[in-house]
Amino acid sequence: SAVISQKPSRDICQRGTSLTIQCQVDSQVTMMFWYRQQPGQSLTLIATANQGSEATYESGFVIDKFPISRPNLTFSTLTVSNMSPEDSSIYLCSAGTSGGPNINEQFFGPGTRLTVL
Amino acid sequence: AQSVTQLDSHVSVSEGTPVLLRCNYSSSYSPSLFWYVQHPNKGLQLLLKYTSAATLVKGINGFEAEFKKSETSFHLTKPSAHMSDAAEYFCVVRKTNDYKLSFGAGTTVTVRA
Repeated sequence: SAVISQKPSRDICQRGTSLTIQCQVDSQVTMMFWYRQQPGQSLTLIATANQGSEATYESGFVIDKFPISRPNLTFSTLTVSNMSPEDSSIYLCSAGTSGGPNINEQFFGPGTRLTVL
Repeated sequence: AQSVTQLDSHVSVSEGTPVLLRCNYSSSYSPSLFWYVQHPNKGLQLLLKYTSAATLVKGINGFEAEFKKSETSFHLTKPSAHMSDAAEYFCVVRKTNDYKLSFGAGTTVTVRA
């Protein structure tokens, strides 16, 4: 299985600012994803982080608001731009492989708890 | 498009009694189905998965789930609840050949002493 770490674990930010969240996987993975979990809600997929190319965004999410980078097979960042209180959520990184014994599984990071004042 | 419906937003059980968390899925294709657990202030942990092999799937911590195609269900059970089972549980579907996951709304489990 893959072990995923995220930084920061939590942050409190002022509206209008931006925050970049880092996701590090302990092994090379095929796929990396970013999810949002709003207070008391389930998880919603924001985008698929593609290595070496632009991320693929789900409906309702745009690159200007949530720019994503994935420079290699073990690392990705998500930036929450021009934040408002509505962006207060837990942001989770996940990773998976397209082959091997853990095929079909996605492993999740511990999440970044963001509060926007 | 695939989706899941968790039929109970909250389940409360006494310690030592059975737990049943209900999940129905909708998918145009043969789906892969998962149950994840999220303890307070912790990350998501995979409990078990169904990927078109045996319909009765055994997971960690004594949980199991049965895939019933005729009922489009994937209910999670445990014969005897423990206090440590108090958490949020998510039923998740993944369409075959697509790596995106669709999460159910979640079921909060409380365990009474």
